[in-house]
Amino acid sequence: SAVISQKPSRDICQRGTSLTIQCQVDSQVTMMFWYRQQPGQSLTLIATANQGSEATYESGFVIDKFPISRPNLTFSTLTVSNMSPEDSSIYLCSVTSREASSYNEQFFGPGTRLTVL
Amino acid sequence: AQSVTQLGSHVSVSEGALVLLRCNYSSSVPPYLFWYVQYPNQGLQLLLKYTTGATLVKGINGFEAEFKKSETSFHLTKPSAHMSDAAEYFCAVSPFSGGGADGLTFGKGTHLIIQP
Repeated sequence: SAVISQKPSRDICQRGTSLTIQCQVDSQVTMMFWYRQQPGQSLTLIATANQGSEATYESGFVIDKFPISRPNLTFSTLTVSNMSPEDSSIYLCSVTSREASSYNEQFFGPGTRLTVL
Repeated sequence: AQSVTQLGSHVSVSEGALVLLRCNYSSSVPPYLFWYVQYPNQGLQLLLKYTTGATLVKGINGFEAEFKKSETSFHLTKPSAHMSDAAEYFCAVSPFSGGGADGLTFGKGTHLIIQP
């Protein structure tokens, strides 16, 4: 399985500011995804990070609020823009390995715990 | 659209007792099914998965799950609970489309409490 790291692991931010979260994988992967886990809630897919093209966003999430980059097959960033307290969540990236891509087995990073004051 | 229902947001069992966490899915075709575990302040770890073939799937840490198409269920079990099993458990589904191009749909999670 892939080893995934995220930076920062946690942060406390002021409303109106932006935070960029990095996701690094130790091997080339086919797909990378970003999820949000609000306090006490389940995971919700934000978007699929596409290498070399614009991310694909789920309903309710927009590029202006959550811009995503994926410059290569091992790295992606998610920016949470113009933050409000409602953005306080854990943000997780996940990947699908080449071997597991046929059935969409995903491996998750440790998450970034964001608190917005 | 797919959906996942996990019955019971909290399940409490005694150490050594049977663990049963329920998961039902709704999908037009049998999807791929997963159970993940999340320990406090950690990311998600894959426990087991069902793709095709044998309907009884064995995973890590002594957990197993059985895919029952007629009941659209994928319940997670463990014969004997251990204190270290205390965590949040998520059932997830993926469309049967292959290619790994889709995000997973998660249930709301079940918090497993182990009583000494």
